[in-house]
Amino acid sequence: QSVLTQPPSVSGAPGQRVTISCTGSSSNIGAGYYVHWYQQLPGTAPKLLIYGNSNRPSGVPDRFSDSKSGTSASLAITGLQAEDEADYYCQSYDSSLSGYVFGTGTKVTVL
Amino acid sequence: EVQLLESGGGLVQPGGSLRLSCAASGFTFSSYAMSWVRQAPGQGLEWVSIMSGSGGSTDYADSVKGRFTISRDYSNNTLYLQMNSLRAEDTGVYYCAKGCYSSSRNNCFDPWGQGTLVTVSS
Repeated sequence: QSVLTQPPSVSGAPGQRVTISCTGSSSNIGAGYYVHWYQQLPGTAPKLLIYGNSNRPSGVPDRFSDSKSGTSASLAITGLQAEDEADYYCQSYDSSLSGYVFGTGTKVTVL
Repeated sequence: EVQLLESGGGLVQPGGSLRLSCAASGFTFSSYAMSWVRQAPGQGLEWVSIMSGSGGSTDYADSVKGRFTISRDYSNNTLYLQMNSLRAEDTGVYYCAKGCYSSSRNNCFDPWGQGTLVTVSS
C-alpha cells in the first residue's frame, strides 16, 4: 500500500490536456520533499520524466509539466499524443518511513 | 552513455537466497547513489533499497529490512542486492537505478536498467 495516491486511470483524445494527481501527506510531499515523475511504456523500464523543481531531462518534450501544492502534486500532459499512452508514477521521500515512496500509478489512455 | 545491466534473477524456492548484480558504465560510479526498485507482476513500483555514492549510508524498505543487503564494488563498478529468506511476495522484476545525486533525501532515479525477473515459488 503506497502512501502516495494516484487515480488508476485517465484518458483523453489526441490534442487534449490531461492531469494526474499525486496525493501524499505531511511526511512526504507536505514536508517539502521533491516530487519526481516517471513514464513507463508497456514492457519497458520506467523513465524519468520530471525531477526536482519542474526540471525535464534532455529529450522530454515541454508538453509535460508539473505543479505542487500542500500535500499534493500534479502532472499535466498537453497536446496528448498516441505515444503518451503509458503508466505514470510520482515518487518522493517519506520521513516517517525513512525511505523513498512511489505513487500507486496511473494508466493514461489516448482515445 | 550511462548503461546499467542487471543479472542474477531466476526461480528460487521460498526461504532461499539469490544475489542480483548491476554492472554500471558511462559515469563516475562513486559520485552517485544507486538503488533497487522492484515491480510485482501487473503491479506498481516499489522502492527496495539505496546506497549512497560513498557507500557510507544505506536504507531499506520495511518489507525487506533484515533480509536484503545492498552493496557496491567500486573496483568493477557493480551494485549488488543479496536477497535471503525469500518469500512469494518478493516475486517481480528488479530494476537497478542510478540516483540523480550522491546522497539526498530528494533523490530521483535515472536511468534504470532493463530489469531482472525474480520468481519465488515451490
